[in-house]
Amino acid sequence: QKEVEQNSGPLSVPEGAIASLNCTYSDRGSQSFFWYRQYSGKSPELIMSIYSNGDQEDGRFTAQLNKASQYVSLLIRDSQPSDSATYLCAVKGRLLRDDKIIFGKGTRLHILP
Amino acid sequence: KAGVTQTPRYLIKTRGQQVTLSCSPISGHRSVSWYQQTPGQGLQFLFEYFSETQRNKGNFPGRFSGRQFSNSRSEMNVSTLELGDSALYLCASSYRVAGGLSYEQYFGPGTRLTVT
Repeated sequence: QKEVEQNSGPLSVPEGAIASLNCTYSDRGSQSFFWYRQYSGKSPELIMSIYSNGDQEDGRFTAQLNKASQYVSLLIRDSQPSDSATYLCAVKGRLLRDDKIIFGKGTRLHILP
Repeated sequence: KAGVTQTPRYLIKTRGQQVTLSCSPISGHRSVSWYQQTPGQGLQFLFEYFSETQRNKGNFPGRFSGRQFSNSRSEMNVSTLELGDSALYLCASSYRVAGGLSYEQYFGPGTRLTVT
């Protein structure tokens, strides 16, 4: 059973600080990794995609992937109250197989003003 | 570009009834996936359709079914509704490239189904 694990939180971070969210996955053959943000009562919104080891930066967001250790992380710099949401990690398996995307249950992030 | 649309947005049904939900993907996207989201189980994959063919299926009973039309619009159907089917049903579309890396999914607003 392929799994994606996240700490459910809540993770409380002061405004302006760096929020660090982590995710581990069980399928070593996984190739594509995504971070979604979901506000309460809303649908998930894609914020980052990463496919190779290392860092991928987009504005205040940085996704980090370490396939050897099977973890993905999301860093949010200069955290804002508007970043308060649940962050979902999603992992897709091998490229050439019809493999579904598996989501973690999410980490609730709370930015303290 | 218009996003993913889902109808209806809210639905109340009674046990034993059936329901059909609709999803229109982003223009140009040929892959549509359906998910069930509940507070306890999180986002759970139901099935994926690509070019009118079911490509992937999650671990849900046969009461849950779907289809995709030639214009990539998709419907999912739940027959003989149970109380436990109350959930947010999300549709996501993707520009699926066979063998390619790009598999970014974009979600619709969801249909909130309440079974009484």
